[in-house]
Amino acid sequence: AQRVTQPEKLLSVFKGAPVELKCNYSYSGSPELFWYVQYSRQRLQLLLRHISRESIKGFTADLNKGETSFHLKKPFAQEEDSAMYYCALSVSTGNQFYFGTGTSLTVIP
Amino acid sequence: EPEVTQTPSHQVTQMGQEVILRCVPISNHLYFYWYRQILGQKVEFLVSFYNNEISEKSEIFDDQFSVERPDGSNFTLKIRSTKLEDSAMYFCASARDSITEAFFGQGTRLTVV
Repeated sequence: AQRVTQPEKLLSVFKGAPVELKCNYSYSGSPELFWYVQYSRQRLQLLLRHISRESIKGFTADLNKGETSFHLKKPFAQEEDSAMYYCALSVSTGNQFYFGTGTSLTVIP
Repeated sequence: EPEVTQTPSHQVTQMGQEVILRCVPISNHLYFYWYRQILGQKVEFLVSFYNNEISEKSEIFDDQFSVERPDGSNFTLKIRSTKLEDSAMYFCASARDSITEAFFGQGTRLTVV
């Protein structure tokens, strides 16, 4: 069965420090992986998807099929990065996402 | 920028009552979804809807749930007889097609008492 695991519920880093939000998945086929972000009092929005291989707001994520991971990284955290981050897996066309439980990131000034 | 809008933002209902949660997807989108998030838990897929019919649904989406696109602009989720465990945040989402980004609404917080 498909599953997404985000081991850290809470993560605090100082401004300017590197940040890594962990995501592991289980799926036997070829997954599509996404990171969604929810800023305070705002809606869920797509941050990035692995097939785009792009950097958004300084964040990158690399799909590692060997480790079944899709960790989100940013070299220098900013205060505005404080938010809830959800890793999600899609196993078919149609945007049926399997979400992780989310990691709440706090960037300390 | 176009947005998915959901009404109401908060709904309180008595157990056993029917509720209808409303969503207005982005106008040129063709795929529609409902997700829910019980407090402290993960966001869970409920159902996807395309071409006026359900394309996929999860185990959560039992006979108590139904979806409808009654007038070409609204997309509704009905819970026939609410239970306490239906209390959650319900998110609507829409997408232009099946492989592009899904845009989420702000959510409706449903509280069953």
